[in-house]
Amino acid sequence: NAGVTQTPKFRILKIGQSMTLQCTQDMNHNYMYWYRQDPGMGLKLIYYSVGAGITDKGEVPNGYNVSRSTTEDFPLRLELAAPSQTSVYFCASINKAPYEQYFGPGTRLTVT
Amino acid sequence: GENVEQHPSTLSVQEGDSAVIKCTYSDSASNYFPWYKQELGKGPQLIIDIRSNVGEKKDQRIAVTLNKTAKHFSLHITETQPEDSAVYFCAAQPSNTGNQFYFGTGTSLTVIP
Repeated sequence: NAGVTQTPKFRILKIGQSMTLQCTQDMNHNYMYWYRQDPGMGLKLIYYSVGAGITDKGEVPNGYNVSRSTTEDFPLRLELAAPSQTSVYFCASINKAPYEQYFGPGTRLTVT
Repeated sequence: GENVEQHPSTLSVQEGDSAVIKCTYSDSASNYFPWYKQELGKGPQLIIDIRSNVGEKKDQRIAVTLNKTAKHFSLHITETQPEDSAVYFCAAQPSNTGNQFYFGTGTSLTVIP
């Protein structure tokens, strides 16, 4: 199994551009999450999903959108990139129990 | 919402010594407390977790303790090795937030050979 995969690994965007960060898991997990990690800070939850067709906002959802059309995929969309969105983005998934959260390798995004 | 505080932010120990990282949480509904290790350029990886019905859990050189009354939990690493050097995060999951996790700000542990 590949676990949780994320693409791209790195990306530089200009202000106002849009992009989609891809996340795929092959563990048939119901729950999927998007976090951002800023220097010296913990992970902040952007959006999460408890199953296909169901998404909900986390702590810092502004400027982002998500969709969950399949169990495997949970893309994160940035519509109008801003410098404040410069961060490392992690996707994660869990089954409902025993709650172990599996993280992808991350996407480092710079907005200039 | 839940607020998790983590201390210290950096920690240096000599190889073979013990390391302790402490976290506090605010929401009494939190009932699951995982600890993650993040190596440079990688995603966090679960190393140990504890549920609110247990006071202590141990896995080889790693142990976690939980004090529900005081709302704090700690990670203990004994006989530290250079490969333990990484950033460690604690987290809390309230039972009433639909499986959301709240993370501490991380501790950068350096084990000096």
